[in-house]
Order: sequence, then structure tokens, then C-alpha cells
Amino acid sequence: SAVISQKPSRDICQRGTSLTIQCQVDSQVTMMFWYRQQPGQSLTLIATANQGSEATYESGFVIDKFPISRPNLTFSTLTVSNMSPEDSSIYLCSVLAGSTDTQYFGPGTRLTVL
Amino acid sequence: AQRVTQPEKLLSVFKGAPVELKCNYSYSGSPELFWYVQYSRQRLQLLLRHISRESIKGFTADLNKGETSFHLKKPFAQEEDSAMYYCALSSLGGAQKLVFGQGTRLTINP
Repeated sequence: SAVISQKPSRDICQRGTSLTIQCQVDSQVTMMFWYRQQPGQSLTLIATANQGSEATYESGFVIDKFPISRPNLTFSTLTVSNMSPEDSSIYLCSVLAGSTDTQYFGPGTRLTVL
Repeated sequence: AQRVTQPEKLLSVFKGAPVELKCNYSYSGSPELFWYVQYSRQRLQLLLRHISRESIKGFTADLNKGETSFHLKKPFAQEEDSAMYYCALSSLGGAQKLVFGQGTRLTINP
């Protein structure tokens, strides 16, 4: 299994500002992902964080808005840039780990944009 | 396009009664299906996956390709089963790039 921590656990931000969310895993993993869960909605994949190369973004998500870093196999950051109230969501980090390729999720970061 | 549909946002049953959480999917290839569960104040965790064909906490789910369904079932509900349940699909090998359904909040009444 993999133990994932995220920082911060929650934040309240002003519109127009940016927030960087950190994701730390207790073991080296190849695949890391970032998801968004808007209020009352399901989880939507934002991007796959690739170590040593640019992240792979899903349709509807762009690097300028959600820049992602993956400096090594245990850490990644997601930045939510130029925030608006529509960015208020829970942001989750996940990793693929274990012999059965199970996807493990972090506790999430609850972001409120005023 | 891949899509996962969970038609019930809320489901309430009595303890000891059978439970069935519905999940339908649309995908033209061979998907891999999962059920994830989120208990109160806990993180999302894998409950079961169709390729494992195992029972976890009394829950089972069978992939029905003809009906494109992956319903989650338990014959006798327990109060600790109260949680949010998400059905998810992966179009690639393994558990990469999951597409989630809207989720069903299951409440087991005593």
C-alpha cells in the first residue's frame, strides 16, 4: 500500500491569488494523479504528474491554470492559479502502487475561494 | 467517451436487509471496473475491482458486459456500511486514469 499526505488540508483564498498543494508519498511510485471534486460532484481527473517531464492534462484542464511539478518519485505539487470561486473544490492526489496496481488516494485539500 | 452512471444519489436500507448499489458504464472497449468507498472522515479507498472477483466486507460485484453494469451487492447490510460509494472505470490496463460515477450515499438504518 501507499500512505499519502497532502498539505494544506484546507484553505480559504481570495480570488485572483494562487495556491500550491503538496502531495507526499511514503514510497517511490511511478504514477501520480491529481483529481478535483467540485461541491456535490464526482471526482474528475485533472492530470497525470510525470516525473522528469511535463504533466499530461485531461480535456478541459490546462497547464497555465493548473501547473504541476513532479521533481521526484515521492512528491508532487499542484498549483491552482488565478483562482475564482468556481475553483472551490476538494483537490485529491492519488498514486498507483502495490503489486495489484491499486490507486491510493490522499486525504484531499479543501479549497474555498472567496 | 467513457461514462459511469450511478442512478441513485441516496440509498437508505435497514440493517440486515439486502443492498444493491447500481452502476452502469459506457465504454466501447474492455474496461476495468472498481468500487471505491469513503467512510465518514476517512479518505477514499478501494473496496473491490472486478478482475479480483472477490468479496470484500461481504460485498460483491459482477461485471455484466451485456448490460454494461457493475452493481455492488451485499446480502445483509450492517450499520458500518454507511458511506459514500463510487463506481469507477479505467480504460487502460490497471487502475490508471479513473472515470468516476457521481456516487451513492448509502445509509443503513438500525
